[in-house]
Amino acid sequence: SAVISQKPSRDICQRGTSLTIQCQVDSQVTMMFWYRQQPGQSLTLIATANQGSEATYESGFVIDKFPISRPNLTFSTLTVSNMSPEDSSIYLCSVGPGTGIYEQYFGPGTRLTVT
Amino acid sequence: GQNIDQPTEMTATEGAIVQINCTYQTSGFNGLFWYQQHAGEAPTFLSYNVLDGLEEKGRFSSFLSRSKGYSYLLLKELQMKDSASYLCAGLDSNYQLIWGAGTKLIIKP
Repeated sequence: SAVISQKPSRDICQRGTSLTIQCQVDSQVTMMFWYRQQPGQSLTLIATANQGSEATYESGFVIDKFPISRPNLTFSTLTVSNMSPEDSSIYLCSVGPGTGIYEQYFGPGTRLTVT
Repeated sequence: GQNIDQPTEMTATEGAIVQINCTYQTSGFNGLFWYQQHAGEAPTFLSYNVLDGLEEKGRFSSFLSRSKGYSYLLLKELQMKDSASYLCAGLDSNYQLIWGAGTKLIIKP
């Protein structure tokens, strides 16, 4: 199994500012994923972060808005840039299938509120 | 396109049995996952099926029929702590998880 930690656990931010979310895994993994989950909704994949290459973004998400870093095999960051109230959500990082880990493990999430 | 369908909400009684259904359409297929998510918490892994049939794990069982694009999660001897959302997710040929919207399960005494 994998143990994943995220920082911060929650934050309240002003419109127009940026927040960087950190994700740390207790083992080396090839692929890390960033998800968004809005209240009462299921998970929406933002991007896949591979170590040593550019992140792959899903439709509707762009690098300028959600820049991702993946400096090594145990760490990644997601930045939510130029925030608006619509960005209020829970952001989750995970590691999962295809990395040698069978099931997908999630971090505890970062609850973001933009005012 | 790729799609996962599951009921939005279900209600069951403590001590009873409930079956949550999921139908899927994915580009290729590398398995079907069920996750449990309590309110305000991250999803946690429950089960994985890649072959047809029933996988039993304590009070929880998961079934898969690849020919029908169908799975279900069976919860027995329901407890109040089973109140949660249950997420069905299919793993496509690129090893990307396609998530359903989740089924909110409400357990009543």
